[in-house]
Amino acid sequence: AQSVTQLDSQVPVFEEAPVELRCNYSSSVSVYLFWYVQYPNQGLQLLLKYLSGSTLVKGINGFEAEFNKSQTSFHLRKPSVHISDTAEYFCAVSTPRQGAQKLVFGQGTRLTINP
Amino acid sequence: NAGVTQTPKFQVLKTGQSMTLQCAQDMNHEYMSWYRQDPGMGLRLIHYSVGAGITDQGEVPNGYNVSRSTTEDFPLRLLSAAPSQTSVYFCASRQSLAGGNGELFFGEGSRLTVL
Repeated sequence: AQSVTQLDSQVPVFEEAPVELRCNYSSSVSVYLFWYVQYPNQGLQLLLKYLSGSTLVKGINGFEAEFNKSQTSFHLRKPSVHISDTAEYFCAVSTPRQGAQKLVFGQGTRLTINP
Repeated sequence: NAGVTQTPKFQVLKTGQSMTLQCAQDMNHEYMSWYRQDPGMGLRLIHYSVGAGITDQGEVPNGYNVSRSTTEDFPLRLLSAAPSQTSVYFCASRQSLAGGNGELFFGEGSRLTVL
């Protein structure tokens, strides 16, 4: 079974500073990895995903993530954050195995941007 | 485009009462699912469906029933509500059946309080 650990429950940063949200996964088979964002009082929406190929994945709103198989990590980064990036961010994993329908989510990281 | 629509957005129940959370999608997605979101626990899968007439259990199915009579609708039933079911519930759908590599589209959530 797959599992995801988000290492920080809360991350406060100042506006225009860089940020990294950490995600580690556990799986005995190859994986698909996702980052979703949840703005206040809304559902989740996809930021980016890694399926295969290049380990550096670019997403919406200037975010990117790097898949590191040896460290089983998929950290999310942004070089300069804005107030509007304040949200909760979820890392998630699934597998390419035929019929694997379950997307497993991490606990979430609340990103707070201070002016 | 409506996407995934959940009703009601808010509900207060007394212990032992029953209710149904409605979910409808207009994207002709085969896969639909219900998650619950609790602080510090991320999203946990309750039940999912890969098509009309087909449902299966997720990580936390106890106390919940589902059915899938049409492609569009996937209601979640609480037969006898308990305070432990106080949570925010999300319905999500996606097009891909194989491999779990597709983007999940989420509704805006239903906040349920059980007294």
